[in-house]
Amino acid sequence: AQTVTQSQPEMSVQEAETVTLSCTYDTSESDYYLFWYKQPPSRQMILVIRQEAYKQQNATENRFSVNFQKAAKSFSLKISDSQLGDAAMYFCAILQGGSEKLVFGKGTKLTVNP
Amino acid sequence: KAGVTQTPRYLIKTRGQQVTLSCSPISGHRSVSWYQQTPGQGLQFLFEYFSETQRNKGNFPGRFSGRQFSNSRSEMNVSTLELGDSALYLCASSLGDTTGGETQYFGPGTRLLVL
Repeated sequence: AQTVTQSQPEMSVQEAETVTLSCTYDTSESDYYLFWYKQPPSRQMILVIRQEAYKQQNATENRFSVNFQKAAKSFSLKISDSQLGDAAMYFCAILQGGSEKLVFGKGTKLTVNP
Repeated sequence: KAGVTQTPRYLIKTRGQQVTLSCSPISGHRSVSWYQQTPGQGLQFLFEYFSETQRNKGNFPGRFSGRQFSNSRSEMNVSTLELGDSALYLCASSLGDTTGGETQYFGPGTRLLVL
């Protein structure tokens, strides 16, 4: 079974600063995909970034980047130049190749202070 | 391209009743997955449909069922509602390529309150 652990229930950051959200996972599969989703107060789950496990290069999307450490089974999300609109719950998730079942962590609530 | 839509957005039911939730995927997406989100259990996978067939199923009782139509729209049904079924029900769609690993795009959710 796959598991995802987010050890930081809450984090805060000053506007324009950088913050890193932690995520560790466990899987016995070699073919899997990792995701970060954002859920603002509207409750709409929005994709932030995706990483294929077979790719060594860390994924980036504008101000969002990941630090993917496959051997350590770690997948942290870095948000640069934080904006007020980044305030949300952030969920780390894993998807096994050949499956459509996403397994989520418990989430990290990010507050952005002006 | 329009996103995933879910109806209704809010529902209030009483214990013992049944409820049907609807999800329309992004055009061209053939896989629809359903998730339950509660404060206590977090996000849990219910089931996934592809080409009108249930392809994956989570650990939920038989009171939770679903189906998919030929146009890829999906419905989820919960019978004999219990207080613990109060949750946000999220639907997600993806291309459904059989190799897997497709990104899932979520709808706005249906908030169900059972009294």
